[in-house]
Amino acid sequence: DIQMTQSPSFLSASVGDRVTINCKASQNINRYLNWYQQELGEAPTLLIYNANSVQTGIPSRFSGSGSGTDFTLTISSLQPEDVATYFCLHHNSWPYTFGAGTKLELK
Amino acid sequence: QVQLKETGPGLVQPTQTLSITCTVSGFSLTSHYIQWVRQSPGKGLEWMGFIRSGGSTEYNSEFKSRLSISRDTSKNQVFLKMNSLKTEDTGVYYCVRTSFDYWGQGVMVTVSS
Repeated sequence: DIQMTQSPSFLSASVGDRVTINCKASQNINRYLNWYQQELGEAPTLLIYNANSVQTGIPSRFSGSGSGTDFTLTISSLQPEDVATYFCLHHNSWPYTFGAGTKLELK
Repeated sequence: QVQLKETGPGLVQPTQTLSITCTVSGFSLTSHYIQWVRQSPGKGLEWMGFIRSGGSTEYNSEFKSRLSISRDTSKNQVFLKMNSLKTEDTGVYYCVRTSFDYWGQGVMVTVSS
């Protein structure tokens, strides 16, 4: 199985900060990597699919990059409504696996 | 618009069978896969399996011996059944469309006597 190592587990940042979250795959997953935002008690919301494509309706401050084994989610200017937990998911081959999550808080 | 909604029992006793229904609207089950994902305190998010648009299935080996996914296209419904439940199966179960783009609201299942 492909393991997804997500870092950091916790992140505290200020409004306006540039925030980056990383996921590393244990083997090549090409660009088959999605990023999600999950607010407390809600279902995950798709932000980025196939590593760098922004889902319709998602603010432009969210972007994704990477291919192969190393991927990054970037929030260019953190907003208060971005406080949430963020997950990555690989869908290169089954079993698909998720990162453990990054909890993002305001400083 | 695209919607998925899970309905399930809430509380299930250990060793019993879990049955959850996912009812979809805004798209056709004959054109899209339906994935099942579980979120638990102990293991986080786990992919359980899917049913293809043609009706065949694939399962995560972690669940394979206990899990069954089926559907009724005339009712726009997909069914998850998992037997021999353990307390560790407690969590929120989600049905998700094809490429993990649209998710249901999830249904909380507690396995407890």
